[in-house]
Amino acid sequence: ELKVEQNPLFLSMQEEKNYTIYCNYSTTSDRLYWYRQDPGKSLESLFVLLSNGAVKQEGRLMASLDTKARLSTLHITAAVHDLSATYFCAVAPDVDDMRFGAGTRLTVKP
Amino acid sequence: DTGVSQDPRHKITKRGQNVTFRCDPISEHNRLYWYRQTLGQGPEFLTYFQNEAQLEKSRLLSDRFSAERPKGSFSTLEIQRTEQGDSAMYLCASSPGVLAGVGEQYFGPGTRLTVT
Repeated sequence: ELKVEQNPLFLSMQEEKNYTIYCNYSTTSDRLYWYRQDPGKSLESLFVLLSNGAVKQEGRLMASLDTKARLSTLHITAAVHDLSATYFCAVAPDVDDMRFGAGTRLTVKP
Repeated sequence: DTGVSQDPRHKITKRGQNVTFRCDPISEHNRLYWYRQTLGQGPEFLTYFQNEAQLEKSRLLSDRFSAERPKGSFSTLEIQRTEQGDSAMYLCASSPGVLAGVGEQYFGPGTRLTVT
């Protein structure tokens, strides 16, 4: 059974410092997605990573994918308050079978 | 608004009652998905449609749950004889499919169900 594990599940960040979230998955997949969810809201797509070595950046967030290690990372540079949210990674080993991790709840404190 | 819409946004019902939720996908998307999300967890896949055909159902989808997508447009998710364990956020997503893009799914705002 496919397992998607995120680490850490909770992260309290200080402003202007750097952090990394890890997403490990248990089966081969060439597609990995990162989503953001604000409290009480739906999921917003952040990144789609489609191949080994893929790296994408948007603002203070950068995501990368290592399909051989079955690992994706989401790196946060110089955290700011508006990054506070829950971040999910999702893996799609089959065309339409998207499985989500449990989420990492980020809180940025001044 | 060209995003995925869901109705209602909130539903409170008594145990044993039936409820029905509606999802309107992005118009050019032929794939539609239903997920359930409980507090502190990621979305769990329930079922999905390609056009009007229901192609996969999770084992989470008991006989009390049924989903339809008549004419390949909007979809409905019905829960019969609701139980307190059905309380969750029900999310709908749509996608143009892998052949038309990268398989990215676009999520609606969700329907929050509370069973009392």
